[in-house]
Amino acid sequence: DTEVTQTPKHLVMGMTNKKSLKCEQHMGHRAMYWYKQKAKKPPELMFVYSYEKLSINESVPSRFSPECPNSSLLNLHLHALQPEDSALYLCASSLRNLAIGAFFGQGTRLTVV
Amino acid sequence: AQKITQTQPGMFVQEKEAVTLDCTYDTSDQSYGLFWYKQPSSGEMIFLIYQGSYDEQNATEGRYSLNFQKARKSANLVISASQLGDSAMYFCAMREQSVYWGGSNYKLTFGKGTLLTVNP
Repeated sequence: DTEVTQTPKHLVMGMTNKKSLKCEQHMGHRAMYWYKQKAKKPPELMFVYSYEKLSINESVPSRFSPECPNSSLLNLHLHALQPEDSALYLCASSLRNLAIGAFFGQGTRLTVV
Repeated sequence: AQKITQTQPGMFVQEKEAVTLDCTYDTSDQSYGLFWYKQPSSGEMIFLIYQGSYDEQNATEGRYSLNFQKARKSANLVISASQLGDSAMYFCAMREQSVYWGGSNYKLTFGKGTLLTVNP
């Protein structure tokens, strides 16, 4: 069982909808990540939070808005998405310096219609 | 900039045989970390094994071992006694550090992956 929990597992949304992806970890990690993964491609980093502060934004469009309410929770707010944003969204957590890598959730499969 | 190269888009292996998945990397850092992840069709990224750049011994975790050749900048994953459940995508990744005036940031950079199919 994964110790990083993502909800929902599947999401279908229209281009005018607003939705949120949620991620929770209870491993005491102080770094959390959002990755986007298209089919048959490697994960691409979107955002990194370190000690609840945004430390890396990989030039992600503003229709994706991350939020880290506390050290255990990470949200990704979605608004006015495009069909090309359909992908698997993976959340991960780690020690601050990725000393032993990152632990991933099961992902949210997002379809934008 | 760092780079991870996996040159095998797909690999096939017979059940119970060993298989090696290739990974080469490029970095100018002295301190770095290398990781292998397994991604079944369900989507979850499962951590398999880690090798630090200063580790003198090759890492092993059960049926997984990492053949680390620092001078060649390679970190190949060896799976012994393959099982049907090993069929999945395998990603090699490297920890990347970027230093700024207030501290440093860390992230994982992934290779393109190798799709392993285990045949009965």
